[in-house]
Amino acid sequence: DIQMTQSPSTLSASVGDRVTITCRASQSITNWLAWYQQKPGEAPKLLIYMASSLESGVPSRFSGSGSGTEFTLTISSLQPDDFATFYCQQYNSYSWTFGQGTKVEIK
Amino acid sequence: QVQLVQSGAEVKQPGASVKVSCKASGYTFTDYAMHWVRQAPGQRLEWMGWINTGNANTKYSQKFQGRLTITRDASATTAYMELSTLRSEDTAIYYCARQHFLYYMDVWGKGTTVTVSS
Repeated sequence: DIQMTQSPSTLSASVGDRVTITCRASQSITNWLAWYQQKPGEAPKLLIYMASSLESGVPSRFSGSGSGTEFTLTISSLQPDDFATFYCQQYNSYSWTFGQGTKVEIK
Repeated sequence: QVQLVQSGAEVKQPGASVKVSCKASGYTFTDYAMHWVRQAPGQRLEWMGWINTGNANTKYSQKFQGRLTITRDASATTAYMELSTLRSEDTAIYYCARQHFLYYMDVWGKGTTVTVSS
């Protein structure tokens, strides 16, 4: 199975900060990568798919990039509603795996 | 609107089985596959398996092979996840999630809490 590793595991930031989260795959997944945001007590919410495509309705401050084995999620200016845990997820040959998550906390 | 409504919380004894339902509405059920994903307390999301709602083909994570059965009733637009031989480590929130044709999960149910305890 393909393993997904996110860094950092926890990130402390302030409103207005630019935030970058990295996700690495154990082998190439071309661009079959999605990013989700999860708040406590809620289901995950899709933010980005195919590594860099913004889901409809998601604010443009979220962006994704990368291909192959290394990917990033960037929040250009962190807003109060963005404090949450973010997960990357890969798809390959009818198998899906998630990263361990990155919790974005208030500094 | 597109919606996935899951069944209510369950408490089971070790060794028992649990069956969770996921009723879809607002779209053509058989046009989209359905996934099951779980999340143990404080842990990452964990993919369990997938069903092609059109032909009922399934694919399971190797971790759950032999214990997991995913089915669907197309006439009821409902998918089901049954996990057998439960142990305490299966205590988690279980989510169903619709699969977009580009293989990501675009709509999620609110989750069903399953607690395994004697």
